[in-house]
Amino acid sequence: DAGVTQSPTHLIKTRGQHVTLRCSPISGHKSVSWYQQVLGQGPQFIFQYYEKEERGRGNFPDRFSARQFPNYSSELNVNALLLGDSALYLCASSLQVLAGGGETQYFGPGTRLLVL
Amino acid sequence: AQSVAQPEDQVNVAEGNPLTVKCTYSVSGNPYLFWYVQYPNRGLQFLLKYITGDNLVKGSYGFEAEFNKSQTSFHLKKPSALVSDSALYFCAVRAFSGYALNFGKGTSLLVTP
Repeated sequence: DAGVTQSPTHLIKTRGQHVTLRCSPISGHKSVSWYQQVLGQGPQFIFQYYEKEERGRGNFPDRFSARQFPNYSSELNVNALLLGDSALYLCASSLQVLAGGGETQYFGPGTRLLVL
Repeated sequence: AQSVAQPEDQVNVAEGNPLTVKCTYSVSGNPYLFWYVQYPNRGLQFLLKYITGDNLVKGSYGFEAEFNKSQTSFHLKKPSALVSDSALYFCAVRAFSGYALNFGKGTSLLVTP
C-alpha cells in the first residue's frame, strides 16, 4: 500500500511569494495534519483536518491556511513568505480525528521549502 | 499545556550494546505517548505508542519503551543496537482531548561498529 505522499519534494521561493504544498493520505485515512520542522527542532503542529473541516490549529499566523478535499487530500498554503518559513513541511494522516483516541499519525516524506 | 523533554542531544553506543533514549513528558490527564524515527532527508517513521495497559510497549525493529507514570517518563530501549539504528529519534505526547502531537527536540543516536 502507498504511504502518505507529498509534493513537491523541494521548493525554492523568495520572500513575499506564496506557496502551495500538497498531500495525499494513506488510502482510507480521513484525517490529515500538517507540521513544520525547522532544522534542528522537532515538528510543530500547524493544522488538523478531518472530513474537510479544520479540527485543530497550532500557534501559526494567519498567513498559513489549509484545506481538505472530498478525496481527503489536502493543501497547505503559506502567503507572504518570510525567511523563517524555511523548513521541512510534513503531512501526516490517520484513520480518524485524533481527539480522545489513540490514533497513530503516519508521516509523509515532507516538502523542503527554502525561502531566499 | 503538554510538552516533552529529550534531555540528550546525542547518544553514542557500540553495536551490540543495549541502547536507551530518554524522554519525559508533561500533560494534563492521561497521555498518549509515541516514538518516531527520522532518517536523513526522510519523514518520520512510527516506532511504537503507549495508550493504556501494559507499561512495556513493544514496537518495530526490536524497539520497546517503558511507560513510568510516577517518573513521567517514556524511555526508548533496544537490547542490542545495530549500526542501521543510527538516526534521529523523536518522542511525542498528545493529551487525551488534544489534536496535536507535541514533539521533543529529538535525540541523535549514533551506533558505531
